[in-house]
Amino acid sequence: GENVEQHPSTLSVQEGDSAVIKCTYSDSASNYFPWYKQELGKRPQLIIDIRSNVGEKKDQRIAVTLNKTAKHFSLHITETQPEDSAVYFCAASFKAAGNKLTFGGGTRVLVKP
Amino acid sequence: GAVVSQHPSWVICKSGTSVKIECRSLDFQATTMFWYRQFPKQSLMLMATSNEGSKATYEQGVEKDKFLINHASLTLSTLTVTSAHPEDSSFYICSATGPNTGELFFGEGSRLTVL
Repeated sequence: GENVEQHPSTLSVQEGDSAVIKCTYSDSASNYFPWYKQELGKRPQLIIDIRSNVGEKKDQRIAVTLNKTAKHFSLHITETQPEDSAVYFCAASFKAAGNKLTFGGGTRVLVKP
Repeated sequence: GAVVSQHPSWVICKSGTSVKIECRSLDFQATTMFWYRQFPKQSLMLMATSNEGSKATYEQGVEKDKFLINHASLTLSTLTVTSAHPEDSSFYICSATGPNTGELFFGEGSRLTVL
């Protein structure tokens, strides 16, 4: 089955700096890669996603890149703010498998004011 | 977006008892729902795929006789933790694929504490 690795496990940045989280996946058939933000005790919230027919996607301060050949994708957050502090999860799925997501281990991001 | 609601949001039970958690898609029909378990400071681990009108598909290592899943309608899936033990204490989250974009929507989660 699919295996998703996520790095780093913790990330501390100064407010205003950029944060980058990287993930690799094992199943070349995976074609959907969402990123979730989870605050303590709450449900994961989708912040951005990318499909395998696209190499990059941007939404305001958040961007995701995908390298299908290398089987890795990254989340970039620019101009970080204290409210960006949370745990971020990458995930991968193959639509024909019914959108069954495999999650990375998570990255705890702390934005210091 | 589509709304998935989970109930109860938290539950405390005694060891050996059973607990049922409900997951509802409020404004769409979900033929497939997913149940995840999340231990403190860990990632979400898929437990099983719940299929409307048929048996659930369990991930390797998940005991199907302990975690009973029923998906009797297109808007409701239930997870019953039978004979709960303290090690079953966790955050259980359901999810369903939304009707349009294929985005996965999560319930609020249910925090189970087994004494």
